[in-house]
Amino acid sequence: QKEVEQNSGPLSVPEGAIASLNCTYSDRGSQSFFWYRQYSGKSPELIMSIYSNGDKEDGRFTAQLNKASQYVSLLIRDSQPSDSATYLCAVNLSSGGSYIPTFGRGTSLIVHP
Amino acid sequence: DAGVTQSPTHLIKTRGQQVTLRCSPISGHKSVSWYQQVLGQGPQFIFQYYEKEERGRGNFPDRFSARQFPNYSSELNVNALLLGDSALYLCASSLSLADYNEQFFGPGTRLTVL
Repeated sequence: QKEVEQNSGPLSVPEGAIASLNCTYSDRGSQSFFWYRQYSGKSPELIMSIYSNGDKEDGRFTAQLNKASQYVSLLIRDSQPSDSATYLCAVNLSSGGSYIPTFGRGTSLIVHP
Repeated sequence: DAGVTQSPTHLIKTRGQQVTLRCSPISGHKSVSWYQQVLGQGPQFIFQYYEKEERGRGNFPDRFSARQFPNYSSELNVNALLLGDSALYLCASSLSLADYNEQFFGPGTRLTVL
């Protein structure tokens, strides 16, 4: 069973719309969750981290966490063509005293003008 | 401040050869992790090092090995290269091993095995 699931997309939204990216995870004990953005041919860039249930906002980005449902999402408001990228969800899994980020396969977002 | 650096940027090898990839973490970061990313997939965890000790190992064969030096830089070695080892190899650094620690990635080394 895949530990972190994301719809691979692509998710296509018009410029100015809200893009909603979703992620589910299997480890009920996970406490730390991260969203990364990866442009084609580049390395992942950390956008946001979230640790508590509820919403966390940073500029145009809002991360939402629901531990009971094992669900984390990322909302991008006022989407811009420059937001077109792959968005990776990462969940820290406990392993022998360390915490190993486990990534989903990523969701491709296309923002069209 | 400088971010995570990796070298080389690109590498072309033939099957059976050996390769060494290098990583320098963000200043002050003591933990380095290595990931393999193939096209269309998320990064797959290979190794985690903290204070020069291996603290985690992913599901990769023994052909893969790594080490961390006293200055917290790290090397990833891959022996007996296979075509399937072609991928983007990513290094990430973090302050410590705490659950809440954020990881920051370097630019990656793109390895092509012919």
